[in-house]
Amino acid sequence: AQKVTQAQTEISVVEKEDVTLDCVYETRDTTYYLFWYKQPPSGELVFLIRRNSFDEQNEISGRYSWNFQKSTSSFNFTITASQVVDSAVYFCALSEALRNNNAGNMLTFGGGTRLMVKP
Amino acid sequence: GAVVSQHPSWVICKSGTSVKIECRSLDFQATTMFWYRQFPKQSLMLMATSNEGSKATYEQGVEKDKFLINHASLTLSTLTVTSAHPEDSSFYICSARDGTSGFFGSYEQYFGPGTRLTVT
Repeated sequence: AQKVTQAQTEISVVEKEDVTLDCVYETRDTTYYLFWYKQPPSGELVFLIRRNSFDEQNEISGRYSWNFQKSTSSFNFTITASQVVDSAVYFCALSEALRNNNAGNMLTFGGGTRLMVKP
Repeated sequence: GAVVSQHPSWVICKSGTSVKIECRSLDFQATTMFWYRQFPKQSLMLMATSNEGSKATYEQGVEKDKFLINHASLTLSTLTVTSAHPEDSSFYICSARDGTSGFFGSYEQYFGPGTRLTVT
């Protein structure tokens, strides 16, 4: 069974602070995919990143960076110099590998972390 | 590309009535669609997975007779909440996967904007 844990339910920071959102996962698959999504107050999920289990390189995209460590089953997300517009709920998710063309690769979501960035 | 729409974006209905929510993939063929439910301040919980042309697979605890899912074409899936009650009030989100590209299909799930259902 797959499980994703986001231990931080709410984080509050002041603008320009760096903040790291933790994500720990469990899976018995050797091939899997990890995701981060942002959900602003409007409710629509915004895809941020997908990482497969064979690629442990850290990734940086502007003010966003991700640290994937298989040894600790973690896929943490850091926002550098946070801005008020970063305020949202952030979800980490896990998906098993695709096995055939019609297999549903369901996403298992963590509980989410509500980030509040104050001016 | 890879746009998924949902209709309606919000709906208010009376207890006991049925509500249909549509999920459409606008520019790709969605061989698999997923329906999620999200209660306030909670995470997304998968309700069911549907593959085009076959019956949906429901997650444990989800009543298949109450939440009817139809995936009759490669671009449209519908979720009908039958005999809705106030406890069904929630944010319903669909996602769609393009199963026709690549060897095993796309890994990406593209999410719709969600439908907020309020049952009075």
